[in-house]
Amino acid sequence: EAGVTQSPTHLIKTRGQQATLRCSPISGHTSVYWYQQALGLGLQFLLWYDEGEERNRGNFPPRFSGRQFPNYSSELNVNALELEDSALYLCASSLAVVGSNKNTEAFFGQGTRLTVV
Amino acid sequence: QKEVEQNSGPLSVPEGAIASLNCTYSDRGSQSFFWYRQYSGKSPELIMFIYSNGDKEDGRFTAQLNKASQYVSLLIRDSQPSDSATYLCAVNAYNYGQNFVFGPGTRLSVLP
Repeated sequence: EAGVTQSPTHLIKTRGQQATLRCSPISGHTSVYWYQQALGLGLQFLLWYDEGEERNRGNFPPRFSGRQFPNYSSELNVNALELEDSALYLCASSLAVVGSNKNTEAFFGQGTRLTVV
Repeated sequence: QKEVEQNSGPLSVPEGAIASLNCTYSDRGSQSFFWYRQYSGKSPELIMFIYSNGDKEDGRFTAQLNKASQYVSLLIRDSQPSDSATYLCAVNAYNYGQNFVFGPGTRLSVLP
């Protein structure tokens, strides 16, 4: 069974440009999470999508946005790129049930390393 | 107060020893707890999950949960140099409006 897949693996952009990152969850998973991990730092929660809806977002500016498609794949868009956006962007998927107090485990993709120059 | 806290380490143990990694969380509504291992430059890999108080064993790994103390730990028996990595504790944070909250991670170094 295929795991979570992310594309591209590496992305180099110039400051001010836009970046689009893609994620395909494990088959059957409806929840997709996006995290940012700057070099040497922890995972910072960006966005959570479930059943096509944004369920929550982390403390990031509005230029970080995304969406989830009917097939549950997801896209993260970062507009007006800044140098400090350079990081590993991780996508994870799970069978989370919205409104439940329990979660099934989340599995991560290999990440997209975004470099802003 | 941070939602999930871990000692950043590094925690150094000799090969063959038991490594003990600790995590505390602030949301009493949390019901699901996870441990991930992350090698440098790689994505996190799920090691274990635990939902009920007590111990859960899987091979060399044992997860321990104490909801009353809001504490979860991971024990690694017979530590190997290949266990050297950063270990991330994750908690579902239902009362904070998001599903998974990660701790900052503890860097473990197993010395040959």
